[in-house]
Amino acid sequence: EAGVTQFPSHSVIEKGQTVTLRCDPISGHDNLYWYRRVMGKEIKFLLHFVKESKQDESGMPNNRFLAERTGGTYSTLKVQPAELEDSGVYFCASSRGGRGFNSPLHFGNGTRLTVT
Amino acid sequence: GENVEQHPSTLSVQEGDSAVIKCTYSDSASNYFPWYKQELGKRPQLIIDIRSNVGEKKDQRIAVTLNKTAKHFSLHITETQPEDSAVYFCAASKRGITDKLIFGTGTRLQVFP
Repeated sequence: EAGVTQFPSHSVIEKGQTVTLRCDPISGHDNLYWYRRVMGKEIKFLLHFVKESKQDESGMPNNRFLAERTGGTYSTLKVQPAELEDSGVYFCASSRGGRGFNSPLHFGNGTRLTVT
Repeated sequence: GENVEQHPSTLSVQEGDSAVIKCTYSDSASNYFPWYKQELGKRPQLIIDIRSNVGEKKDQRIAVTLNKTAKHFSLHITETQPEDSAVYFCAASKRGITDKLIFGTGTRLQVFP
């Protein structure tokens, strides 16, 4: 099966600009997650979709971040306006439906965002 | 909120030696503990996981142990090889309540030939 794909792989933008990251989960995976790793720190949870619904967005840093998953397929994460502290690697992960133990998370390669 | 601490942040070993990475979690309701390996420029990949009803799990050269009382779990890699060099992340979650993973800060393992 095709893995989780993310686009772009790298993005360099200036402070104040807007960036949109895209994630295509594994086909048939209802659960989609966004995580972020700031250099040297932990991979931090941002939010969780179940199909098109936001299940948990407790990790979203502030209202400059907007995530969508229209139709329950791919998802976008928009940062507007970007700030310097938004720099990091943004990972998307997906898993099958249900909350059992048999649905491990599969990660994408991540988008490295640099805000200058 | 829930927290996962991971040590050491870097670890260098000689090929053939063993490597141990330790994590401690704060939420006693956590019941699922996966380990991910991230090679340079690649995606984090699940290498082994353990549930709270099991004390130890082994898969070839890697093993994970869990001490629920002390709330810590460890990754053991035996007979290390240069291809084991990567960043390793531990994580914890409360399956059945949420799928959200809380990650440690990562350990950069270098295996020297």
